[in-house]
Amino acid sequence: GAGVSQSPRYKVTKRGQDVALRCDPISGHVSLYWYRQALGQGPEFLTYFNYEAQQDKSGLPNDRFSAERPEGSISTLTIQRTEQRDSAMYRCAIDPKNTGELFFGEGSRLTVL
Amino acid sequence: GQNIDQPTEMTATEGAIVQINCTYQTSGFNGLFWYQQHAGEAPTFLSYNVLDGLEEKGRFSSFLSRSKGYSYLLLKELQMKDSASYLCAVKRYGGGSYIPTFGRGTSLIVHP
Repeated sequence: GAGVSQSPRYKVTKRGQDVALRCDPISGHVSLYWYRQALGQGPEFLTYFNYEAQQDKSGLPNDRFSAERPEGSISTLTIQRTEQRDSAMYRCAIDPKNTGELFFGEGSRLTVL
Repeated sequence: GQNIDQPTEMTATEGAIVQINCTYQTSGFNGLFWYQQHAGEAPTFLSYNVLDGLEEKGRFSSFLSRSKGYSYLLLKELQMKDSASYLCAVKRYGGGSYIPTFGRGTSLIVHP
């Protein structure tokens, strides 16, 4: 997606391992969102940052999930002790117009074996 | 909380018109979006309605009725490339911010 780079694009891991997914809003943006999308479903909200402040983390499924954006630019979503049900596409999005119109990255597809 | 409902799948013929409905129940409503998502790709923005009425943009139009909690996306002169998932998203207020919250999407299949 325009202005948002995510890595890795694909991640295969074994159950119980930790994974870190990275989002780099190339031009630097105030608002940054993390969503999770299962096949055939819409994006599910996980968490939202306004600069470095995590203003809403109500969508994080449980305490194995955490996110940070320490300098208000690059963000990392970390999943500890992964489980098979964590398998999904994880998408980062920015809101450059501050209207809620989101620009999504290409996503990180996580597969937990 | 919020609940967003849209049909799972629709089919239509090339050149025809199709209407995709979306109903929602949410607290702190502050606008409704439609996104298009082709298979294997990221969602891309189509339209935004915050006031009641119809917004037209080329072959695509979007309608909103806030009192009824209802929106539709109208696609005219359908083309094969319009085959995609169409996501309705409501901007709801929570945690001090407005968060776009998505429905499950409507898979549109356009056939010749």
